Amino acid sequence: DTGVSQDPRHKITKRGQNVTFRCDPISEHNRLYWYRQTLGQGPEFLTYFQNEAQLEKSRLLSDRFSAERPKGSFSTLEIQRTEQGDSAMYLCASSLYGGRGHGNSPLHFGNGTRLTVT
Amino acid sequence: EDQVTQSPEALRLQEGESSSLNCSYTVSGLRGLFWYRQDPGKGPEFLFTLYSAGEEKEKERLKATLTKKESFLHITAPKPEDSATYLCAVQGSTLGRLYFGRGTQLTVWP
Repeated sequence: DTGVSQDPRHKITKRGQNVTFRCDPISEHNRLYWYRQTLGQGPEFLTYFQNEAQLEKSRLLSDRFSAERPKGSFSTLEIQRTEQGDSAMYLCASSLYGGRGHGNSPLHFGNGTRLTVT
Repeated sequence: EDQVTQSPEALRLQEGESSSLNCSYTVSGLRGLFWYRQDPGKGPEFLFTLYSAGEEKEKERLKATLTKKESFLHITAPKPEDSATYLCAVQGSTLGRLYFGRGTQLTVWP
């Protein structure tokens, strides 16, 4: 079990630039989640995938944010035209969903990508 | 809307001084309540899942309990290495997203 891997660990960008983050989940997990966390707050849900299908997006996710999981394995999160308010830790998590009769395993998180927008 | 409230926001304990953290929740059709530990600069680390009222789970100095409206994380004889932020989260009947509280920042001093 290599755990959830996120790249890069840190990203500093200027306002208005686009950034892309990558997440590699635990290999046998079929669900992948993106969360955002700011200082002193709990993780805030952004979106999640089951295999390659994006099943839910938060209402808070503006159209500047887009996530993909093209082959049901790794995922990317892109933020276009970054703003200072986008500065946060972006966390990825994965889990194994076994269907309605078996439910969802706990989410396992990576160590995040810390984004600073100057 | 599903909600999670954790208290206190911060807690300072002397080594060996036992205490409890609280997590109050409202959720449509609870399918799981989760406790995580988070160290600075790291992602949350899974501790426990509780599924139904009356359930208890233990791990070393930590014990989690669940009622129909809240969960407690009891810390017995804590050590400085237990210092971290403890997060509570719930999953509802859709078995989709987890809703997190803001966490309790625990500091244990020698």
